Amino acid sequence: ETGVTQTPRHLVMGMTNKKSLKCEQHLGHNAMYWYKQSAKKPLELMFVYSLEERVENNSVPSRFSPERPNSSHLFLHLHTLQPEDSALYLCASSQDTANEKLFFGSGTQLSVL
Amino acid sequence: SQQGEEDPQALSIQEGENATMNCSYKTSINNLQWYRQNSGRGLVHLILIRSNEREKHSGRLRVTLDTSKKSSSLLITASRAADTASYFCATDAASARQLTFGSGTQLTVLP
Repeated sequence: ETGVTQTPRHLVMGMTNKKSLKCEQHLGHNAMYWYKQSAKKPLELMFVYSLEERVENNSVPSRFSPERPNSSHLFLHLHTLQPEDSALYLCASSQDTANEKLFFGSGTQLSVL
Repeated sequence: SQQGEEDPQALSIQEGENATMNCSYKTSINNLQWYRQNSGRGLVHLILIRSNEREKHSGRLRVTLDTSKKSSSLLITASRAADTASYFCATDAASARQLTFGSGTQLTVLP
């Protein structure tokens, strides 16, 4: 176990649904991340949170909305997704945003029908 | 184009053999990291090498870094079937605020 827990492990949703992915870490890490992993493509960084700020990747569509309500939890709210959004969504954390040693959760495999 | 690219895309070897994977990148880096991912799971950090280091070891893993050639290699010695996984390099570019991952090498170790 890496200390980063993601739920649910699998999610199937329609294009009009609203759902949320949850990530929890009890490692005391300041930085948390959302990554998207599609088949045959490199990991794509979606969002980065330090304790003080959210750093957004400008290419992420607004149908993805992150939230970090406290230091241990990170959510990714999903609404009106497209079939091409089907992918493995990975949460990660690190001590800070110095880009050293990320701890990943097991991911949520998302299918959009 | 992506910062880190692994080579080969896929590698199949017999148990007990050594496995070598390579990573090339384009811009100056602060550090380079290797991660492992079992099918359908998250990535696990293996080793980090800084730009001023040339070689690091961790158990059966050996990582080299050649900043003049902008390349790194990961060597797994005496491979085991349990080493079957995808291996990714990630670069922390001096000019960027984020790690950039490659597409990975799929390693299959046959028993």
